[in-house]
Amino acid sequence: EIVLTQSPVTLSVSPGETATLSCRASQNIRDYLAWYQQKPGQAPRLLMYAASTRAPGIPGRFSGSGSGTEFTLTISSLQSEDFAVYYCQQYNNWPPGRTFGQGTKVEVK
Amino acid sequence: QAQLVQSGGGLVKPGGSLRLTCAASGFSFSEYYMSWIRQAPGKGLEWVSYISRNAGTIYYRDSVNGRFTISRDIAKNSLYLQMNSLRVEDTAVYYCARAGGTFDIWGQGTLVTVSS
Repeated sequence: EIVLTQSPVTLSVSPGETATLSCRASQNIRDYLAWYQQKPGQAPRLLMYAASTRAPGIPGRFSGSGSGTEFTLTISSLQSEDFAVYYCQQYNNWPPGRTFGQGTKVEVK
Repeated sequence: QAQLVQSGGGLVKPGGSLRLTCAASGFSFSEYYMSWIRQAPGKGLEWVSYISRNAGTIYYRDSVNGRFTISRDIAKNSLYLQMNSLRVEDTAVYYCARAGGTFDIWGQGTLVTVSS
């Protein structure tokens, strides 16, 4: 089973700054990597798929990169609504392949 | 627009059963794979089960295999999760999600609490 490890667990950032989140896969998953945002009491929302493609309606300040085993989600000019928990998810291997990382919480510094 | 609305859930004793329902609208339900994903209190996301378009392919995570049953009714545009022999560790918010390569549409979630 592929394991996704996200770092850091918590990221403290000031509004207007840039947040950089990391997701590492235990095996090569090519670019079959998605990112989700989850706010308290809400369902997750798909942000990014294929490592670097924004989902419909996602603002341009969100960008993704990487392939193979190392991936990054970058949030530029953090807005108040961006403070949330972010999960990566791989969909390369199936089953049980659609596994999630443990999440990174982006909090106000 | 595409939407998933969940119902069911609640408080049940260990060993009990519950059935979750997820009603789809705004898209062609029969054309999509579907999944259930759960989130224990204060924890991360955990995939639970998956069903193909025609229900010919079904998968479960090991910890629920043999206890949970996923199904779908194309005529009712609905997805179901029958949960039997529930355990305390099944306590979580359960989400249904449209499952392409990714989970692009999510239900609002429903809380299942297993406690004596």
